[in-house]
Amino acid sequence: DAGVTQSPTHLIKTRGQQVTLRCSPKSGHDTVSWYQQALGQGPQFIFQYYEEEERQRGNFPDRFSGHQFPNYSSELNVNALLLGDSALYLCASSRLGDTQYFGPGTRLTVL
Amino acid sequence: SQELEQSPQSLIVQEGKNLTINCTSSKTLYGLYWYKQKYGEGLIFLMMLQKGGEEKSHEKITAKLDEKKQQSSLHITASQPSHAGIYLCGADLNQGGKLIFGQGTELSVKP
Repeated sequence: DAGVTQSPTHLIKTRGQQVTLRCSPKSGHDTVSWYQQALGQGPQFIFQYYEEEERQRGNFPDRFSGHQFPNYSSELNVNALLLGDSALYLCASSRLGDTQYFGPGTRLTVL
Repeated sequence: SQELEQSPQSLIVQEGKNLTINCTSSKTLYGLYWYKQKYGEGLIFLMMLQKGGEEKSHEKITAKLDEKKQQSSLHITASQPSHAGIYLCGADLNQGGKLIFGQGTELSVKP
């Protein structure tokens, strides 16, 4: 049984560009959450998707948007990239309200 | 200030020694998660504590929840190099699915 998968593993972009990160949840999970982890910090919640709707959102600007597909996979889009967006982006999947299991992350570097 | 505070921030122990990591919440805890992270990788779920006084073990790692003190402790017995990594506590403080994390405790185990 595959766990949570994320792609790509690493990404380098320049300021002002746009990026899309992808996440496939664990089999049987219907909820996907996205987190941003800066170096030396704990993960910060971006948003959570359930039934293709954004269910909760953290304190992130509208440049951060997402989508969930009918097969429960999800995308995180970030527009107008800033240097400060450089971080490890983590996707977590769960059944709604249950323990969240994390993927390996996507390391985004903005130059 | 952080809603979840972990202490210590870092720890270096000799192999075979015991250690304890603490996680204190500024809000009522309805449940607490412990995860482990290797540098730059995803979070590995260790255990979840739901009720006050609950204690769980996973191999040589034991965690307890003290609801009254709004605190959890993670104890490793007879540490091994494989225990090295970053330990993160997380809690769903608003019971909505959004996990708040502590800043992490970096553990090094010297052989």
